Amino acid sequence: DADVTQTPRNRITKTGKRIMLECSQTKGHDRMYWYRQDPGLGLRLIYYSFDVKDINKGEISDGYSVSRQAQAKFSLSLESAIPNQTALYFCATSAGWEETQYFGPGTRLLVL
Amino acid sequence: QQQVKQSPQSLIVQKGGIPIINCAYENTAFDYFPWYQQFPGKGPALLIAIRPDVSEKKEGRFTISFNKSAKQFSLHIMDSQPGDSATYFCAASINTDKLIFGTGTRLQVFP
Repeated sequence: DADVTQTPRNRITKTGKRIMLECSQTKGHDRMYWYRQDPGLGLRLIYYSFDVKDINKGEISDGYSVSRQAQAKFSLSLESAIPNQTALYFCATSAGWEETQYFGPGTRLLVL
Repeated sequence: QQQVKQSPQSLIVQKGGIPIINCAYENTAFDYFPWYQQFPGKGPALLIAIRPDVSEKKEGRFTISFNKSAKQFSLHIMDSQPGDSATYFCAASINTDKLIFGTGTRLQVFP
């Protein structure tokens, strides 16, 4: 089984809809991250959490919110989706003592 | 503002060639420089990383060269293979905090 899972893997939604992307990990890591990937722009950090009670904004947090429901679960919400949020979204995890981030398989989101 | 600049955007080489991907950074407080490899339909995965106290690190066919004074680092892939075809991202961070990624390089290795 995959250590970092993301659901759904693909999603099509309409402008103005609320949508939630979910991430779960079995690695026992305390740190979790949400990134979006756009062609030519690389990976940009949306939000990150270093433990259940710690939530921090990344460089592109506007229009997004997150929830850390448990150490193993970190959800990303788009309160009112817009076409500009069409992208590939990745969740990642890391242990506090280790630099390596482990990425999930990604969620491809299309906002019409 | 792009804190880590990566080039080229795409690269095509023949099998056995040595592709080189370059990254430059501005923040001298960065102390960790990883490279991630991403295959189509997959998430990025750590390939190799370096800290600024060394100028070079090798792992198999992959080498990072680091130039602290120029604030540049690069990835070299020796004897490249078609299986190396992927997108490569450089990144930088401070104290293993959040990573700042470059814009990515799509590498294609033809037989």
